[in-house]
Amino acid sequence: NAGVMQNPRHLVRRRGQEARLRCSPMKGHSHVYWYRQLPEEGLKFMVYLQKENIIDESGMPKERFSAEFPKEGPSILRIQQVVRGDSAAYFCASSPQPPSVVGEQYFGPGTRLTVT
Amino acid sequence: QQQVKQSPQSLIVQKGGISIINCAYENTAFDYFPWYQQFPGKGPALLIAIRPDVSEKKEGRFTISFNKSAKQFSLHIMDSQPGDSATYFCAASMKGETSGSRLTFGEGTQLTVNP
Repeated sequence: NAGVMQNPRHLVRRRGQEARLRCSPMKGHSHVYWYRQLPEEGLKFMVYLQKENIIDESGMPKERFSAEFPKEGPSILRIQQVVRGDSAAYFCASSPQPPSVVGEQYFGPGTRLTVT
Repeated sequence: QQQVKQSPQSLIVQKGGISIINCAYENTAFDYFPWYQQFPGKGPALLIAIRPDVSEKKEGRFTISFNKSAKQFSLHIMDSQPGDSATYFCAASMKGETSGSRLTFGEGTQLTVNP
């Protein structure tokens, strides 16, 4: 069974460019979460999506950040006009349950974004 | 109210010793408390988890102790090994239609087990 897959694993962008991070959940999982980990810090929730729906984006910065999880294909986290403060590890997690059940999540290896 | 506080920030233990990491929370609506282990350059991996209806859960060398009245829970690693050297995160989540099972993480504890 393949786990949660993320690509690219490392991404370097210059200030002002766009970053696109992809996440393929585990087989059979239809719930995706994105988290951001700044250096020397814990993970912070960003957004929770189900297929074709954004359920909770309360952790997303108001500008430049967006996320989607289309009917077909991976979930995408998009950061427009990146700034140095966006440099972090971005993790995707997936779960098979609906919200009212167990809270288990399985994390991908992350994408490490460096903004120069 | 959504925060989870974790201590210590770093911990050094001798091989064979017991590693203890503590977490405290405020929100009594939290109903699921997992611990994650993260190695450098890797994603967090679920280690062990507990629900508030039990006070202790043990899996191999790893034990969670849970104190509902104090709103605290801790991870105990018995017979610590150098291979346990990693960063450990506690977390909490609660049921919700819009929050799903989003996790609120502690700040992390960097554990080093000396041979």
